[in-house]
Amino acid sequence: QKEVEQDPGPLSVPEGAIVSLNCTYSNSAFQYFMWYRQYSRKGPELLMYTYSSGNKEDGRFTAQVDKSSKYISLFIRDSQPSDSATYLCAPSTGGFKTIFGAGTRLFVKA
Amino acid sequence: KAGVTQTPRYLIKTRGQQVTLSCSPISGHRSVSWYQQTPGQGLQFLFEYFSETQRNKGNFPGRFSGRQFSNSRSEMNVSTLELGDSALYLCASSSPTGDRTEAFFGQGTRLTVV
Repeated sequence: QKEVEQDPGPLSVPEGAIVSLNCTYSNSAFQYFMWYRQYSRKGPELLMYTYSSGNKEDGRFTAQVDKSSKYISLFIRDSQPSDSATYLCAPSTGGFKTIFGAGTRLFVKA
Repeated sequence: KAGVTQTPRYLIKTRGQQVTLSCSPISGHRSVSWYQQTPGQGLQFLFEYFSETQRNKGNFPGRFSGRQFSNSRSEMNVSTLELGDSALYLCASSSPTGDRTEAFFGQGTRLTVV
């Protein structure tokens, strides 16, 4: 079993839709939960992160962690074509152990 | 501050050949990780080096190897190339920031095996 499972998609939505991207994980030691965004022909970049359970909001983006069910979510409100990218979840124990999900490709159609 | 630099950006090789990819991390970063990214499998971890030692390894065959030099620069080698090795190879460097570690990625090397 992989430590982090993420549906690779692709996920295609119309502009303005609410997008839900999800990951599950198996390692209870994960404490930090990061989301990376990767545009075409670029490397991934850190989008946002949360610590332990709960929600964190940053503009149109909300990261949510449920440690009891080992479930990580990223919500995008009022999605835009510029949000089209691959989104990778990356839980971490802290220090150097960070595990990346496979990434979900998102397409937002104008 | 310069980012992570990967060279070359694009590479075309023939089956059976070998290839070496290079990664220069952000100055001061001692950890370098390598990933393979394909449309079907997504991002997959190859290995991580820290202070010239391989610290973690993913589930790839022995044809994939790497090393890290004393200046933290890293190289990845793939021998006896197969068509299925065609992928984007990403390098990431990191250094602990408090209790979490952010990975900084290069733009990758696009390898095509024909």
